[in-house]
Amino acid sequence: GAGVSQTPSNKVTEKGKYVELRCDPISGHTALYWYRQSLGQGPEFLIYFQGTGAADDSGLPNDRFFAVRPEGSVSTLKIQRTERGDSAVYLCASSLTRGTSADTQYFGPGTRLTVL
Amino acid sequence: KQEVTQIPAALSVPEGENLVLNCSFTDSAIYNLQWFRQDPGKGLTSLLLIQSSQREQTSGRLNASLDKSSGRSTLYIAASQPGDSATYLCAVKTGANNLFFGTGTRLTVIP
Repeated sequence: GAGVSQTPSNKVTEKGKYVELRCDPISGHTALYWYRQSLGQGPEFLIYFQGTGAADDSGLPNDRFFAVRPEGSVSTLKIQRTERGDSAVYLCASSLTRGTSADTQYFGPGTRLTVL
Repeated sequence: KQEVTQIPAALSVPEGENLVLNCSFTDSAIYNLQWFRQDPGKGLTSLLLIQSSQREQTSGRLNASLDKSSGRSTLYIAASQPGDSATYLCAVKTGANNLFFGTGTRLTVIP
């Protein structure tokens, strides 16, 4: 079956603009995660959804960042008033369940965001 | 806060060598530990997952071990091949649902 997909693969925008990044998780996966990876670093957690609700948004850096998952499947990460420091690869992952030690997260290819 | 460290940051080996990548973490209260592979410009591919109750996992030429009490894991790659060249990331899952990642080891296998 299909893996996690993310669109667009690349996004170039200007400082101050609004962007939306989309994630399609693996079918049937109830848990969905967003991470951000800066150059030369490991991914850093942003937000976690269980179903439609954001169960943990403690990793969002500020209120310019927001994410939704209205039907419990596709998720959109929204960034308002983008800044150059937002430039990074945004990774989405999904997993079948939550809270178990056997839970494997499957990652998408990421969206590379460049803010000029 | 959980901190994950990977040593070395980069490693070059000739084809055919066996090698070990190291990962350490500060908080031993983990659910599991995962090793991922990341190719340039690509997402992450899960290689092995070790549950907190397990000591090691094996898949083909890969073997990962976990010593939770000392906060360490190793990834052993046998008979390395040029196709193994990639960045290898270690991540731990704590009581929260997210993963804490190290900064990775960039492996180059020289033909």
